[in-house]
Amino acid sequence: SAVISQKPSRDICQRGTSLTIQCQVDSQVTMMFWYRQQPGQSLTLIATANQGSEATYESGFVIDKFPISRPNLTFSTLTVSNMSPEDSSIYLCSGGVGTQYFGPGTRLLVL
Amino acid sequence: EDQVTQSPEALRLQEGESSSLNCSYTVSGLRGLFWYRQDPGKGPEFLFTLYSAGEEKEKERLKATLTKKESFLHITAPKPEDSATYLCAVQATNRDDKIIFGKGTRLHILP
Repeated sequence: SAVISQKPSRDICQRGTSLTIQCQVDSQVTMMFWYRQQPGQSLTLIATANQGSEATYESGFVIDKFPISRPNLTFSTLTVSNMSPEDSSIYLCSGGVGTQYFGPGTRLLVL
Repeated sequence: EDQVTQSPEALRLQEGESSSLNCSYTVSGLRGLFWYRQDPGKGPEFLFTLYSAGEEKEKERLKATLTKKESFLHITAPKPEDSATYLCAVQATNRDDKIIFGKGTRLHILP
């Protein structure tokens, strides 16, 4: 299994600003994943973060809006850039070998 | 295209009333099927991984089963604390560790 932690747990941000979310895994994993979950909805994959290479983005998500870093095998960041109220959501990261384990999420509200 | 469909969307049961949640899937090749529990405001909590048709796994009042086209999560004599959203997800053989989620079943157990 893997234990995932995220920071911050929640934030309220102004339109046009950026927020960086951190994700830490308690063991080394090849891939980490970032998801968005809008109220009452299921999880939507934003991108796959591979250590040592560029992140791979899903359709509808772009690097300029959601830049991702993966400096080592236990850590990743997701930045939500130039935020608008439509970016208000819960952002989740996951990691693991085969089975994915999830962090507690970051609840973001953009005013 | 890989797809996961869960039914019903919502289910209300009396305490002690057993039932089953369904997850039907379409993937080019199944690497694993996962069940998660998600409480409001929290990240998904891993429950089970199933790898091949005929496999079954149990944990307390929950039992997950798998066929070539679907999975069931059986809940026996549920208690109010079993109330949560139950998410099904699949991992395809050609998609690295990426997993695709269904929309979930919101389960409410009445005391």
